[in-house]
Amino acid sequence: QKEVEQNSGPLSVPEGAIASLNCTYSDRGSQSFFWYRQYSGKSPELIMFIYSNGDKEDGRFTAQLNKASQYVSLLIRDSQPSDSATYLCAVTDRGQGAQKLVFGQGTRLTINP
Amino acid sequence: KAGVTQTPRYLIKTRGQQVTLSCSPISGHRSVSWYQQTPGQGLQFLFEYFSETQRNKGNFPGRFSGRQFSNSRSEMNVSTLELGDSALYLCASSLVSGGAADTQYFGPGTRLTVL
Repeated sequence: QKEVEQNSGPLSVPEGAIASLNCTYSDRGSQSFFWYRQYSGKSPELIMFIYSNGDKEDGRFTAQLNKASQYVSLLIRDSQPSDSATYLCAVTDRGQGAQKLVFGQGTRLTINP
Repeated sequence: KAGVTQTPRYLIKTRGQQVTLSCSPISGHRSVSWYQQTPGQGLQFLFEYFSETQRNKGNFPGRFSGRQFSNSRSEMNVSTLELGDSALYLCASSLVSGGAADTQYFGPGTRLTVL
């Protein structure tokens, strides 16, 4: 059973600080990694994807991937109250030629003004 | 480009009934996946369709079924509803398999309540 683990939080961060969200996965063969943001009552919204080891930056967001350690993280710089949401880590399971995302339970992030 | 659309947005049914949910993917996207989200289990994969074929199915009973049409629109059906089927049902579409095209974009979801 392929698994994705996240700290469920809640994670509380002051406004303007860096929020760090972490995720580990069990399938060493996983190739594609995604971070989604989900506001309460809404559907998941894609923030970033990463395929290669290292860092990938997009505005205030940086995704970090370490395949050897089977670890993915998301950094949010200059955190804003609007970043308060649940952040979902997802990994593609491409077994049997199909496309399927395996999600972690999500980390609830609260940015305090 | 219009996003993924799902209808209806909200449904209330009683136990034993059946329900059909609809999903229209982003134009040009050929893969449609369905997920169930509940507070206890989180987001769980139901099934994926590509070119009208179900390519994979999650660990759900046979009461959950789906199909995809030639225009890539998809429907899922749940028969003999149980209280535990109350959930947010999400549809996601992606371009094709492989690389950046793996990225799935979610619709707004259908909130199903079973009484």
